[in-house]
Amino acid sequence: QQPVQSPQAVILREGEDAVINCSSSKALYSVHWYRQKHGEAPVFLMILLKGGEQKGHEKISASFNEKKQQSSLYLTASQLSYSGTYFCGTEEGPNTGNQFYFGTGTSLTVIP
Amino acid sequence: NAGVTQTPKFQVLKTGQSMTLQCAQDMNHNSMYWYRQDPGMGLRLIYYSASEGTTDKGEVPNGYNVSRLNKREFSLRLESAAPSQTSVYFCASRDRTSYGYTFGSGTRLTVV
Repeated sequence: QQPVQSPQAVILREGEDAVINCSSSKALYSVHWYRQKHGEAPVFLMILLKGGEQKGHEKISASFNEKKQQSSLYLTASQLSYSGTYFCGTEEGPNTGNQFYFGTGTSLTVIP
Repeated sequence: NAGVTQTPKFQVLKTGQSMTLQCAQDMNHNSMYWYRQDPGMGLRLIYYSASEGTTDKGEVPNGYNVSRLNKREFSLRLESAAPSQTSVYFCASRDRTSYGYTFGSGTRLTVV
């Protein structure tokens, strides 16, 4: 049930764009995206609910294709502060406390 | 507004010792969670509590017990620590399903 993320790691120069993908073999109700900096707790970025809506947060946005059970996180014009590990999390229905699964993460490094 | 507060931040135990990790949230969230994070494996759910008075197992509950003391507090106990329990432990809370998880700052536990 753990979603699969790709790529595992990516290195960008400041100003470049990146896409991180998350896919599941199960029909999904929602997809979450989190960012974790080294030695810190994960921080919630956004949630996408069933319906294929795209969300935006400054230069970070995401989409959810419920037919394919896939979500993508888009980071545009990357900044040094974007460095960290990005996790997606998926759940198959509302209020399914122990049926929420995090992916293994994508390490993103932005260099000057 | 502190969010989710975990104590202690660091702990070293000898094999066989016991300890309790404390967690408290001040956001009036109903649901609380304990996760462990190991390199390459993402975040895995140990136990969760959907509401005060209820607890349920997650993906990796063996060797742990939990107590939902009240709506604010959710503790995790290791009765007889083992080296396999060396990990970073995160407490988290969540409100309605449209919102994401808020994590505490984590406890880095080493069992020798």
